[in-house]
Amino acid sequence: AQSVAQPEDQVNVAEGNPLTVKCTYSVSGNPYLFWYVQYPNRGLQFLLKYITGDNLVKGSYGFEAEFNKSQTSFHLKKPSALVSDSALYFCAVRDGIKAAGNKLTFGGGTRVLVKP
Amino acid sequence: KAGVTQTPRYLIKTRGQQVTLSCSPISGHRSVSWYQQTPGQGLQFLFEYFSETQRNKGNFPGRFSGRQFSNSRSEMNVSTLELGDSALYLCASSLIPWGDTEAFFGQGTRLTVV
Repeated sequence: AQSVAQPEDQVNVAEGNPLTVKCTYSVSGNPYLFWYVQYPNRGLQFLLKYITGDNLVKGSYGFEAEFNKSQTSFHLKKPSALVSDSALYFCAVRDGIKAAGNKLTFGGGTRVLVKP
Repeated sequence: KAGVTQTPRYLIKTRGQQVTLSCSPISGHRSVSWYQQTPGQGLQFLFEYFSETQRNKGNFPGRFSGRQFSNSRSEMNVSTLELGDSALYLCASSLIPWGDTEAFFGQGTRLTVV
């Protein structure tokens, strides 16, 4: 079975400060890891993914994430947060084996509030 | 390139009724997955289709069903609606259901059961 934990329900940060959203995962096979963002009354918008290779992954809108295999973590980061980054962020994992298909297991989400 | 299209955007149904939701994937995408999002349970996987075949199914009762057509469009059906079925239902499409492809989500259908 696979699982994802996002330990913080909400993260508050001042505009211009660094933003970090934490995620840890558990999966039996090779982890395929994703970050999505959701704005009110909208679907999920893909930010970035880790499949293999460099542990630091760069994505959309200045976001990046660092994969740490020993700590089974995949934290999302942004060097300088914007008010418009305020949204709900989801970390997701997929087992890399073919039989697992596209089934994503999501964390509970972290609400990010960036204050001016 | 058009994104994932879900119709309708909003639905209000009465307990006991049934409902059908539709999803048109991104052109060329052959894999479609469905998720239920509620405040209490978060995002939960319902099922996944590829080449008109269900490949994976989540832990939902048999009242929840789906299908995929030859043009990759998908529908999901919920019969005998319960109040607890009120949720945002999200459809996601991807090129194929394996490999390093990511899933792209539609805007969702907000179902309210009264």
